[in-house]
Amino acid sequence: AQSVTQLGSHVSVSEGALVLLRCNYSSSVPPYLFWYVQYPNQGLQLLLKYTSAATLVKGINGFEAEFKKSETSFHLTKPSAHMSDAAEYFCAVSESQKVTFGTGTKLQVIP
Amino acid sequence: NAGVTQTPKFQVLKTGQSMTLQCAQDMNHEYMSWYRQDPGMGLRLIHYSVGAGITDQGEVPNGYNVSRSTTEDFPLRLLSAAPSQTSVYFCASRPGQGNEKLFFGSGTQLSVL
Repeated sequence: AQSVTQLGSHVSVSEGALVLLRCNYSSSVPPYLFWYVQYPNQGLQLLLKYTSAATLVKGINGFEAEFKKSETSFHLTKPSAHMSDAAEYFCAVSESQKVTFGTGTKLQVIP
Repeated sequence: NAGVTQTPKFQVLKTGQSMTLQCAQDMNHEYMSWYRQDPGMGLRLIHYSVGAGITDQGEVPNGYNVSRSTTEDFPLRLLSAAPSQTSVYFCASRPGQGNEKLFFGSGTQLSVL
């Protein structure tokens, strides 16, 4: 069965610092992997997705993620955090007809 | 283009009451799903549907029923509400393929007293 593990339920970074949100997955087949962002009192929006093309995936708002099969990881990064990046981030894996989400990481950006 | 529309946005129920959460999408998506979101637990799949007339269970289906009589609508029914069903519920849809993103509704905040 597929699963997703997000390390760190809360991450704090200073404005302008590197953002690194960790995601590890397990899947019995080559996975489709996603990162979604949730702003307060809203639904989830897609940041980026990996679908077996390039291993480095670029998304919206300057975020990117690298698929590493050997490490079963799909970590999300952004070189320089903005205040507007404060939100909750979810990693997800899609296999068969089910999409499984991680438990989420709340990102705090400190001025 | 309205996307995925959920109603109501807020609901308070008493233990034992029943209700239906509505979800409609206008994108002709084959796939629709219901999630519940609880603090520290992320989103957990309740039920999903790959097309009209086809539904299946997700991770946490107990206490919930669904049906899919049309492509557009996928209502979620709580048969006898329990406090453990207090949560935020999201409906999501996508085209049929698993490599496509999910489109989410704005959520229903449900409290069961």
